[in-house]
Amino acid sequence: GENVEQHPSTLSVQEGDSAVIKCTYSDSASNYFPWYKQELGKGPQLIIDIRSNVGEKKDQRIAVTLNKTAKHFSLHITETQPEDSAVYFCAAEASGGSYIPTFGRGTSLIVHP
Amino acid sequence: DTGVSQDPRHKITKRGQNVTFRCDPISEHNRLYWYRQTLGQGPEFLTYFQNEAQLEKSRLLSDRFSAERPKGSFSTLEIQRTEQGDSAMYLCASSLPGPNSPLHFGNGTRLTVT
Repeated sequence: GENVEQHPSTLSVQEGDSAVIKCTYSDSASNYFPWYKQELGKGPQLIIDIRSNVGEKKDQRIAVTLNKTAKHFSLHITETQPEDSAVYFCAAEASGGSYIPTFGRGTSLIVHP
Repeated sequence: DTGVSQDPRHKITKRGQNVTFRCDPISEHNRLYWYRQTLGQGPEFLTYFQNEAQLEKSRLLSDRFSAERPKGSFSTLEIQRTEQGDSAMYLCASSLPGPNSPLHFGNGTRLTVT
């Protein structure tokens, strides 16, 4: 089955800095890569996703890049704000199957004001 | 879109008791998923329904766990003879049909087994 590794487990930045979270996956059939943000006491919420037919996608301060050859994808947050503090999860989902995303272990992002 | 609703939010039970959780998905979503999340970990897949059909179950889902979605709308997850290792957050999510449909999660039910 799919295996998703996520790094780092904790990331501490100053407000205004950029933050980068990296994930690798094992199943070359994976073609959909969503990112979720989880705030304390809440379920994960989708913040951005990318499909394997594109290499990069951007939405305001958030961008995701995908390298299918190397089987890795990354989340980039620019101009971080204290409200970006949360746990972020990457996931990978294979095509032609059961549409079940496999999640990474999460990155706790702390943005210091 | 009222979101995915889970009930209860918290459940404390004694070891050996049975518990049941409910999930109400977004109304037009025909797929429903159950995940389990422990502290410091990502969500781990338990089972998934398309309409009323349970299409896949994880090896994590022991025979003490059972899930139903009787009319293709809400779902229940029952754990029989709870063990301390069952303590976790149980997350429900729903999605539209088709590939690459993002999951919409509820806020979970936190189970504590004493």
